[in-house]
Amino acid sequence: SQQGEEDPQALSIQEGENATMNCSYKTSINNLQWYRQNSGRGLVHLILIRSNEREKHSGRLRVTLDTSKKSSSLLITASRAADTASYFCATDPGGSYIPTFGRGTSLIVHP
Amino acid sequence: SAVISQKPSRDICQRGTSLTIQCQVDSQVTMMFWYRQQPGQSLTLIATANQGSEATYESGFVIDKFPISRPNLTFSTLTVSNMSPEDSSIYLCSVAGTDTQYFGPGTRLTVL
Repeated sequence: SQQGEEDPQALSIQEGENATMNCSYKTSINNLQWYRQNSGRGLVHLILIRSNEREKHSGRLRVTLDTSKKSSSLLITASRAADTASYFCATDPGGSYIPTFGRGTSLIVHP
Repeated sequence: SAVISQKPSRDICQRGTSLTIQCQVDSQVTMMFWYRQQPGQSLTLIATANQGSEATYESGFVIDKFPISRPNLTFSTLTVSNMSPEDSSIYLCSVAGTDTQYFGPGTRLTVL
């Protein structure tokens, strides 16, 4: 099955800095989604980008998608300590509502 | 959107026992999903539960180990049977929205 792979696995930054996480996948997708998981809790959907879109914004989040490279990036600008969490990309090949999740990037934002 | 609750939020169990996890949704949904997240790992789909029919299990998961009930359109249970320490994980239920999934808060299970 298809799986997104996030990079880096762990990221540690200072408050106010930007955080960039990358996701690579293997086959064609219908859309790609980013989720956030606070320590040991459920996942919260952050943003969805469709295969015909190249960039999308939501507040301090910016997501890009390059289907030719089969990769996506999530940028969190002006990070806050409350952004500390794990971030997962999930790919949906289409035809179902069952995305496949990557291993996640663990982000720590130091106050 | 959907609001999902799970019970219990966490539990510590002895090897060989079973635990039933409950998932309640605030709206009627056709499909509910159960995931396992082992420590430091990604989410792995265990099964899809449709109301009124047998759950569909993913490769590597079997009904005897993870029996699922789906008595109505807002509720489901997952039982982790004959537990071993390898079953220590976070178990999450979810439902499908439009192009996304909504997740419950998870059940953190530790098996001693």
